[in-house]
Amino acid sequence: AQRVTQPEKLLSVFKGAPVELKCNYSYSGSPELFWYVQYSRQRLQLLLRHISRESIKGFTADLNKGETSFHLKKPFAQEEDSAMYYCALSGNTPLVFGKGTRLSVIA
Amino acid sequence: DSGVTQTPKHLITATGQRVTLRCSPRSGDLSVYWYQQSLDQGLQFLIQYYNGEERAKGNILERFSAQQFPDLHSELNLSSLELGDSALYFCASSQIAGRDYGYTFGSGTRLTVV
Repeated sequence: AQRVTQPEKLLSVFKGAPVELKCNYSYSGSPELFWYVQYSRQRLQLLLRHISRESIKGFTADLNKGETSFHLKKPFAQEEDSAMYYCALSGNTPLVFGKGTRLSVIA
Repeated sequence: DSGVTQTPKHLITATGQRVTLRCSPRSGDLSVYWYQQSLDQGLQFLIQYYNGEERAKGNILERFSAQQFPDLHSELNLSSLELGDSALYFCASSQIAGRDYGYTFGSGTRLTVV
């Protein structure tokens, strides 16, 4: 079975502080992993996909197969980063999402 | 504009009623997915269509049904509505399976059942 766990419902950080949003997954095959961002209950926007190893808006994520993790990181948080962040896994079924972490960046 | 169009944006209806949500995928995308987002359950996959055929089924109630038409737009039908069906319903599309590139989401339909 495919499962995505985001252990934190809410993460509050001060502006300029580092951010790490945790994501752990469970899948027996080779997963494709994504991070999506949702501002104010609007549409989900693709932030990162692990196969491209890109950096968007200063965010990066590294797939750690040993720890089955795909944590999202940013060295310096900005107020505009406040949003809901969802980790998602694509295995042999349509995308499975974690329950999300709300990031709140305090000025 | 993501390219995925959902209508209507908001819908308020009474219990026991039936509604239809519509989705037009991004141009060139053959797969359409429906997700339900509620505060307590997060994003739940309902159903996927690929080029007119049902491809995968998730946690979709028997009161709900969907279809994808020859022009690739899709409709999600919700019947015998209950208060608990109040949620945001998202449609997403992808070129083929979307496994490597992820999905493009629409803005959602906010359904309120009163």
